[in-house]
Parts: sequence; structure tokens; C-alpha cells
Amino acid sequence: SAVISQKPSRDICQRGTSLTIQCQVDSQVTMMFWYRQQPGQSLTLIATANQGSEATYESGFVIDKFPISRPNLTFSTLTVSNMSPEDSSIYLCSVGGEQGQFFQETQYFGPGTRLLVL
Amino acid sequence: EDQVTQSPEALRLQEGESSSLNCSYTVSGLRGLFWYRQDPGKGPEFLFTLYSAGEEKEKERLKATLTKKESFLHITAPKPEDSATYLCAVQYAYDKIIFGKGTRLHILP
Repeated sequence: SAVISQKPSRDICQRGTSLTIQCQVDSQVTMMFWYRQQPGQSLTLIATANQGSEATYESGFVIDKFPISRPNLTFSTLTVSNMSPEDSSIYLCSVGGEQGQFFQETQYFGPGTRLLVL
Repeated sequence: EDQVTQSPEALRLQEGESSSLNCSYTVSGLRGLFWYRQDPGKGPEFLFTLYSAGEEKEKERLKATLTKKESFLHITAPKPEDSATYLCAVQYAYDKIIFGKGTRLHILP
């Protein structure tokens, strides 16, 4: 299993500012994923981050708004840029199974970052 | 349209009262169906992965089954500590995944 931590756990931000969320895993993993969970809605995949390559973004999400870094096999960051109240959500980091196959293994999730934009 | 629908949205049961949660899906090329449990203020916790119709998996009071169109999460003689939101997710076309909105389960003592 993988233990995932996220920082910050929650934050309140002003519109127009940016927030960087950190995700740390206790073991080396090939694939890391960033999700958004809006109130009353399902988890939505934002992007997949592999170490050493550009993140792959899902439809509706763009790099300028959600830049992602993946400097090594245990760490990733997601930045929410130029925030608006619509960005208020829970942001979750997750990792795939030990073999790193895309979703066909157990997925482990971090505790989430609760973001409120005023 | 590819989608995953969970029902009911919320369910209240008495302790010991067995029931089932449903996850229906319409996707092409199912690769796997996942069940997660999510407690308030926490990230989802993995429960099961099902890969093909007819497959079943069990864990304590939970049993997950899969058909070609839906999955059921059966809860037998639930306890208050089983109260949580249960999420279903479907992987398809190798690198696509859709989550349902979840079923909020509340077990009354």
C-alpha cells in the first residue's frame, strides 16, 4: 500500500491568486493523478503526471490553469492559478498500484486539500 | 454518452438491516470497475476491483458483484461504522475513468 500526504489540508484564498498543492508519497510510483471533487459532484480527473514528462490533461482542464510538476517519483504539485469562486473544491492526489498500470491496480488517495475561494 | 450512475443517492438503514447499492454504467470497452469508501474529510479508500461480468469479491460485510451493465455492493448486517459514502468508478478505453456521485450510507444503531 501507499501512504499519501497533501499540503495544505485546507485554505481560504482570494480570487485572482494562485495556490500550489503538494502531494508526497512514501514510496516511488510511476503515475500520479490529480482529481477535483466539487460539492455534490463526482470525482473528476484533472490530469495524470508521470515523472520526466509533461502532464496529460483531461478534457476541460488546461495547463495554464492547473500547472503540474513531477520532479521525482515520490512528489508532485498542482497549482490552481488565477482562482475564482468556481475553483472552490476538494483537490485530491492519488497513485496507481505497484506496477504502475493505468488504473488497473489499486488506487490510493491522499486526504485531499479543501479550497475555498472568496 | 459514457456515464456512471449510482443509486440511491442516500440510504438509511437500521443496524443489521442488509441492503444493496447500485452502480450502473454505459461505457465502451470496460477495463475495470472500482468500489471505494469515503469518510467525511478523507480521501477515498479502495475496496474492490472487478474486471469481468460474473465476478464477485467479498470483504467482511461487503460483497461486490458485476454484470455487463451494473455492479452491486451488498452490505450484510451492517454496523454503524459502515456509515460512509460509497463511490463507484469505471475505467474504460485504457486511460479513461469516470466516477459516480456516490451513495451516502447511514447505519442507525
